[in-house]
Amino acid sequence: RKEVEQDPGPFNVPEGATVAFNCTYSNSASQSFFWYRQDCRKEPKLLMSVYSSGNEDGRFTAQLNRASQYISLLIRDSKLSDSATYLCVGAYSGAGSYQLTFGKGTKLSVIP
Amino acid sequence: EAGVTQFPSHSVIEKGQTVTLRCDPISGHDNLYWYRRVMGKEIKFLLHFVKESKQDESGMPNNRFLAERTGGTYSTLKVQPAELEDSGVYFCASSQVGLAGGFTEADTQYFGPGTRLTVL
Repeated sequence: RKEVEQDPGPFNVPEGATVAFNCTYSNSASQSFFWYRQDCRKEPKLLMSVYSSGNEDGRFTAQLNRASQYISLLIRDSKLSDSATYLCVGAYSGAGSYQLTFGKGTKLSVIP
Repeated sequence: EAGVTQFPSHSVIEKGQTVTLRCDPISGHDNLYWYRRVMGKEIKFLLHFVKESKQDESGMPNNRFLAERTGGTYSTLKVQPAELEDSGVYFCASSQVGLAGGFTEADTQYFGPGTRLTVL
């Protein structure tokens, strides 16, 4: 079983739509979670960290459920510029190192 | 402030040859990480430096891979001899800190643009 599993996508949504991505993780030792965004042939960039209480940044809302080992990302009022691959990432510490564990990513295409 | 830089952006080599990838972290970041994405797979951790010391190299696939960070500044990742399955995108990331005990913003890992390696 993969350590971090995501919806395979792709998601094709019209501008203005709300879209939700889900992610599950198997390593209960994972301490922190993130959503990274990766544009085609570019590096991953941190979109937001995920806190147990849920956190919101503008049109983006992330939530973490440790009991279910489940993470979500909600994007409201989708823009064309939101088109990218969204990576669900867990971090756990071992040997004094924060090692990131990535999901394969979910591709989002926002259509005019 | 300059971000993480990597060189070269692309490398095409033949099986059996040697390739050296370079990463320059963000200035002042003691922690440097190497990751790799092979086609169709997720990005995977290779190793972590704290300054010039290897903190965690549990992700290194085999002894054909050698990473160094002399002087605790830039890092190199050498593949010798390269095999077909080494093809992929090699990312470097850096962070200010990287210690256990609870995540803080200073632990955020910033990625470089990657080196796309093709082994023929």
